[in-house]
Amino acid sequence: AQTVTQSQPEMSVQEAETVTLSCTYDTSESDYYLFWYKQPPSRQMILVIRQEAYKQQNATENRFSVNFQKAAKSFSLKISDSQLGDAAMYFCAYRPLQFSQGGSEKLVFGKGTKLTVNP
Amino acid sequence: SQTIHQWPATLVQPVGSPLSLECTVEGTSNPNLYWYRQAAGRGLQLLFYSVGIGQISSEVPQNLSASRPQDRQFILSSKKLLLSDSGFYLCAWSPLGSRSFEQFFGPGTRLTVL
Repeated sequence: AQTVTQSQPEMSVQEAETVTLSCTYDTSESDYYLFWYKQPPSRQMILVIRQEAYKQQNATENRFSVNFQKAAKSFSLKISDSQLGDAAMYFCAYRPLQFSQGGSEKLVFGKGTKLTVNP
Repeated sequence: SQTIHQWPATLVQPVGSPLSLECTVEGTSNPNLYWYRQAAGRGLQLLFYSVGIGQISSEVPQNLSASRPQDRQFILSSKKLLLSDSGFYLCAWSPLGSRSFEQFFGPGTRLTVL
């Protein structure tokens, strides 16, 4: 079974600094997607960034970038120039490319990392 | 553009009472729909998913059930709530098709069972 592990329950960063959130996953699949979701205090889940496993290039979205190491099954999120609005829970998620017989596009989530941004 | 709604936003119910949470999606057709539960300090656990009207698959056996009476409506129900049903319930949708990507989440419902 696929699992996603976020080993840092909490992280903190100074405003304008850079922080990296870790994520590892376990799968026997070769094709899959990885995502980082942000859950601010409002609790609504917001997609931050996604990575297709077949792409070697690391995904970037403005101040957010990932370090995807497929062989190591590692998918870390780097937030540059941290802002107060970045404070949130961050969840790493995995989804296989090939679906189960039932057609589910199930996302497997890690337990999250709580990021605090200090002014 | 597509939007997803959930209601109620918060709910406090006594143990043994029934439950009905509703989720609706606008601006798309034939979406895949999902119910997740997020317990305190834990990640998201998939409860149910649906690939079409009347088609419901359960991921975790429990006293909850789901129904999809209309294409863009997804309902989570219980006949008798347990204390362990407390949590934050999130509905999500994804576009139909094998190349669909991320799931889009609703604002959630906070359920407290006393």
